[in-house]
Amino acid sequence: DGGITQSPKYLFRKEGQNVTLSCEQNLNHDAMYWYRQDPGQGLRLIYYSQIVNDFQKGDIAEGYSVSREKKESFPLTVTSAQKNPTAFYLCASSTRLTEAFFGQGTRLTVV
Amino acid sequence: QKEVEQNSGPLSVPEGAIASLNCTYSDRGSQSFFWYRQYSGKSPELIMSIYSNGDKEDGRFTAQLNKASQYVSLLIRDSQPSDSATYLCAAYNTDKLIFGTGTRLQVFP
Repeated sequence: DGGITQSPKYLFRKEGQNVTLSCEQNLNHDAMYWYRQDPGQGLRLIYYSQIVNDFQKGDIAEGYSVSREKKESFPLTVTSAQKNPTAFYLCASSTRLTEAFFGQGTRLTVV
Repeated sequence: QKEVEQNSGPLSVPEGAIASLNCTYSDRGSQSFFWYRQYSGKSPELIMSIYSNGDKEDGRFTAQLNKASQYVSLLIRDSQPSDSATYLCAAYNTDKLIFGTGTRLQVFP
């Protein structure tokens, strides 16, 4: 089955800790995106990548980092510099200018 | 000015009525537009994509695009309670996909 997989579904982070969210796709899509969603809010773009080994900051990149070493993978690290990381994180992929498909999301909570 | 704007709602319509959802975008260079439906706690799912001016119909859904007015809309005919969700408008802006804040639709029996 082709699709996009995010893991884990739920993640708990302690204060001062870095955590990494996984995103893998087997749709052969060039573009991959990370969005953050807060309760009752829309999707805000964190980082995006159009090709391997290249990525750009979105609107709220501070406190986050990404890598794109393989076409299929686009992991997101939430660093300790992100002071309010509790949110629903969504990864998506697409071909250029076409619709994006989403993973099931990762719900991150600070404990 | 936000790149993609939507009224947050809620928009309440009776079962069987037409629901009309609207979206405006700021970048005239945007080339493709999408409507997604999102149920609470779930990830968004694609309903419609539209790339050129005019109407595009798919079952009970019609997307309308007016590039001169920078306006995209979604009509849902014969609305059902199962259509109650948040509807997200998105625009492909140069090389990134930007979303609006979403409109919450409530369909009551």
